[in-house]
Amino acid sequence: DADVTQTPRNRITKTGKRIMLECSQTKGHDRMYWYRQDPGLGLRLIYYSFDVKDINKGEISDGYSVSRQAQAKFSLSLESAIPNQTALYFCATSGRLAGGPGNEQFFGPGTRLTVL
Amino acid sequence: GEDVEQSLFLSVREGDSSVINCTYTDSSSTYLYWYKQEPGAGLQLLTYIFSNMDMKQDQRLTVLLNKKDKHLSLRIADTQTGDSAIYFCAESNGSGGYQKVTFGTGTKLQVIP
Repeated sequence: DADVTQTPRNRITKTGKRIMLECSQTKGHDRMYWYRQDPGLGLRLIYYSFDVKDINKGEISDGYSVSRQAQAKFSLSLESAIPNQTALYFCATSGRLAGGPGNEQFFGPGTRLTVL
Repeated sequence: GEDVEQSLFLSVREGDSSVINCTYTDSSSTYLYWYKQEPGAGLQLLTYIFSNMDMKQDQRLTVLLNKKDKHLSLRIADTQTGDSAIYFCAESNGSGGYQKVTFGTGTKLQVIP
């Protein structure tokens, strides 16, 4: 079974609709992240959370909100979707590989969101 | 702020070596990473290198770091069609407490049979 899962995998919605993307992990990591991926721009950080009570904005948080319902669950909401939020969204967790540095990130499979 | 740059595309023939390059601006980078993204999937960590190293080898993968020039490369020996993917360079400047990880734009590797 996948360690980091995202639902839905694909979503088409209309401008102005509220959308929630969900992420669950079984890795036992405290840190979770939401990124969006756009062609030619790489990954940009939207929000990150160190634990249930600690949520922080990333570089492109405007138009998004998050909720950390439990250690294993981190959801991303678009309160009123707009077309330029069309992108591939990734959830990630981070932990420490044995003998390695911190901040190694483990990614979910992504959610492709299209806003018409 | 930190910036990580990569060329967007690389095409190689099966069996040849691939070299994917990356430059970064953060002089305090502590760790540098290479991630691989296969079609329809999330990123997966391939390898990492600590900034006080200049080379790391792992089977077909060789990572070279020139800290003076802030240049990182990933060499894939005997490239296979299964290596076709997008490769992301990333850097962070610490461990333990949160240190921002900055990703490059990704290099799409196309392997021609």
